[in-house]
Amino acid sequence: EDKVVQSPLSLVVHEGDTVTLNCSYEVTNFRSLLWYKQEKKAPTFLFMLTSSGIEKKSGRLSSILDKKELFSILNITATQTGDSAVYLCAVASGNNRKLIWGLGTSLAVNP
Amino acid sequence: IAGITQAPTSQILAAGRRMTLRCTQDMRHNAMYWYRQDLGLGLRLIHYSNTAGTTGKGEVPDGYSVSRANTDDFPLTLASAVPSQTSVYFCASSDVGTASYNEQFFGPGTRLTVL
Repeated sequence: EDKVVQSPLSLVVHEGDTVTLNCSYEVTNFRSLLWYKQEKKAPTFLFMLTSSGIEKKSGRLSSILDKKELFSILNITATQTGDSAVYLCAVASGNNRKLIWGLGTSLAVNP
Repeated sequence: IAGITQAPTSQILAAGRRMTLRCTQDMRHNAMYWYRQDLGLGLRLIHYSNTAGTTGKGEVPDGYSVSRANTDDFPLTLASAVPSQTSVYFCASSDVGTASYNEQFFGPGTRLTVL
């Protein structure tokens, strides 16, 4: 059965800290891995990764995929209170257009 | 409008009533999805549509139906609501080709409470 597992489930840090969120997966016919940020409402897209070892970066956020070890990490440097959110990982597999979602990591950044 | 809209924003519904959640996108995306999100269970796919005129069942389709008469609209109907359908419902869309996969864009969600 296809699955996506995120860790930790929750995390509390202080502003300025660096955090690393993990996403491991077991899926048939992997196509891509996606990261989303969810604050109070809808998830918003952060990154899509398809190739191993190529870092995607946007400001203080970066992400990388390891297709051999079947995981991805999302790094946030110099965290701010506005980074507080649930971070969701999802994997697209096979020829269908559905995503397999992890349960998310809830990040709280305290001032 | 730009993106995806959902209506209503929230609704309290008596058990046994019929309810349709509306979803409209203006990005001309071919694929659309309905999810429910519950604490501890994450996002679960209810139904999806790869293109206008076709629909498919997701992970938790029972008690729900959808239609896709055109590209833009993808309504979700609860024929006879039950309390276990209390949830936040998200509609999403994506522009997916045969050789590529693109991200899903989400609507703002509908908070539904069934009493």
